[in-house]
This record gives sequence, C-alpha cells and structure tokens, in this order.
Amino acid sequence: DIQMTQSPSSVSASVGDRVTITCRASQDISSWLVWYQQKPGKAPKVLIYAASSLHSGVPSRLSGSGSGTDFTLTISGLQPEDFATYYCQQAHSFPFTFGPGTKVDIK
Amino acid sequence: EVQLVESGGGLVQPGGSLRLSCAASGFTFSSYEMNWVRRAPGRGLEWVSYIASSGSPIYYTDSLKGRFTISRDNAKNSLYLQMNSLRAEDTAIYYCARGDGTTYQYGMDVWGQGTTVTVSS
Repeated sequence: DIQMTQSPSSVSASVGDRVTITCRASQDISSWLVWYQQKPGKAPKVLIYAASSLHSGVPSRLSGSGSGTDFTLTISGLQPEDFATYYCQQAHSFPFTFGPGTKVDIK
Repeated sequence: EVQLVESGGGLVQPGGSLRLSCAASGFTFSSYEMNWVRRAPGRGLEWVSYIASSGSPIYYTDSLKGRFTISRDNAKNSLYLQMNSLRAEDTAIYYCARGDGTTYQYGMDVWGQGTTVTVSS
C-alpha cells in the first residue's frame, strides 16, 4: 500500500498569513493527489484534485502543486474560515490512503 | 440538491453486525462510483471501500480482512456497507462519499454527514 505523510502535523497562524502544508507519498503517484478540508463536526470537503486543479467553488487563495512523491497545499492570505484540518489522499491506486492530517489553528 | 444521507449507525457489541445505508438524491446515482470513509475518535480519515457505478469492481482497505461488504442498489439510489465481526477499533463516524464522476482518480466530491458506529460492551 502507498503510505502518505504530512507535515507539519499542526500549525498556528494568523489571519492573512501564508500557510504551506506538505504531503509525501511512499512511491510515485504521478499527479493523483487530492486535498480535503474538514472542520469539527462536519464532513470533509474536496479542495484540490489532480494535485493542482481547484475544485469548483474553492477560493483561489488555495493552491496545490507537486508530482511524483512530493506535494504542497498553500493557503495565501489565511481567512477565518480556513481554520480546519487538511488531509491529502492518494488516488493513484487502490487501496486509497490518506495522510494523517494537518490542523491549522489560530495563533 | 445533490445529497447523501447515511443511516444505520448505532451501538453494537464486539462481534456484532451492522448494516449502514446511504441514500443518494439530486444526481444520477447509477453513473457514479461510491466510497465509504471513516474517522475514528481522535484519528484521521481512513478510506474503507469503493464500488464502481455498475457494482464491479470493488475494493477494500487491507485491514478489514473480509469483515465488511460494500454493495449498491442503483434502482433504489442506495449504497450499503455490511459490517460483521465488529471490533472496538471499528468505532468511528462512517461517511459515504461520491466519486468525482470523471475518474476515481479525481477524488470524492460529495460527502454525507456521517453515521456514528460505536462498538462496545
């Protein structure tokens, strides 16, 4: 199975900050990487698919990049609604696997 | 409105069984791949199972060891997860999630609100 890791596990930031989250796959997954956001008590929401394509309705301050084994999610100009936990997921092959998550909270 | 609504969760003793359901509305259910994903207390998301739009192929996470069975009824716009030989570590919120519709590799774009399964004596 493909193992996914994320760093950092948590980050404290202020409104307006730029936040970068890193996701690493244990083997080459090309660009088959998806990012989700989850808030407490809510279902996850897809943000980015195919490593860098923004899902419909997702604000452009979020962006994704990377290919192969190393990927990043960047939030430029953090907004109050961005405080949440972010997960990467490899969609290269079954079984799908998620990263352990990165919690973004208020400094 | 595109919607997924899970049901069937509850409290069950170790070794017991539960059948989760997911009712889909607002889209052509038979055209979409579907998944089950869970989140255990204090832990992250774990993908559980996938079923293609036609019902085959089917995939599971390795750790289930054949205890869970995913199925669907396209005539009833419903997805199911039969869970047997339940263990304490199966305690989680279970979400059904729709595949993107273009390719399973684009991720899961619609999620239900989740149903809680608690395995405890």
